[in-house]
Amino acid sequence: EAQVTQNPRYLITVTGKKLTVTCSQNMNHEYMSWYRQDPGLGLRQIYYSMNVEVTDKGDVPEGYKVSRKEKRNFPLILESPSPNQTSLYFCASSPVSFGGYEQYFGPGTRLTVT
Amino acid sequence: AQSVTQLGSHVSVSEGALVLLRCNYSSSVPPYLFWYVQYPNQGLQLLLKYTTGATLVKGINGFEAEFKKSETSFHLTKPSAHMSDAAEYFCAPTGRRALTFGSGTRLQVQP
Repeated sequence: EAQVTQNPRYLITVTGKKLTVTCSQNMNHEYMSWYRQDPGLGLRQIYYSMNVEVTDKGDVPEGYKVSRKEKRNFPLILESPSPNQTSLYFCASSPVSFGGYEQYFGPGTRLTVT
Repeated sequence: AQSVTQLGSHVSVSEGALVLLRCNYSSSVPPYLFWYVQYPNQGLQLLLKYTTGATLVKGINGFEAEFKKSETSFHLTKPSAHMSDAAEYFCAPTGRRALTFGSGTRLQVQP
């Protein structure tokens, strides 16, 4: 089944404790992206990747890191999480970055930082 | 960069009534336009999209949207609401690198 998977689905952590949220897709998509969803703000892009070893900042990259060493994986790293990073995070992938291609979303990761 | 406005963060309709969710995008070169739906505790899934050609686009679950270049709008409609339509809906024009999401409209359907 074609899908985007994320782990963990739920995470509660404390300020400053490094964490990684994994994202994997099995559709051989070139483009992958991370979004955060906050009430009243819709989805905002954190980082994106056009292909392996090619990543770039989105609209809200502060406090996050990403890497793209393999085509299928695009982990999101919070080196020192803070309470303002409490949010719902979505990973998405698409065949390419532009054009009328649908983005496929993972199920989301709900992160709480205390 | 694209920007998008969704009028009304909450819309409530009765079951069987018309659904109209409004979306206006910025007036730069029209990109591709998407509507996504998010059911409770789920990720987003594509409802419909406009790329080129016919300006009236039909999607899943009886939804449709009309691209109006002169009004820079891409409003979502459904003739008759069903209880299962209760969800949050996002309009998203796409630029070169990303979708730009609206702030979302939560649709409530009253019995």
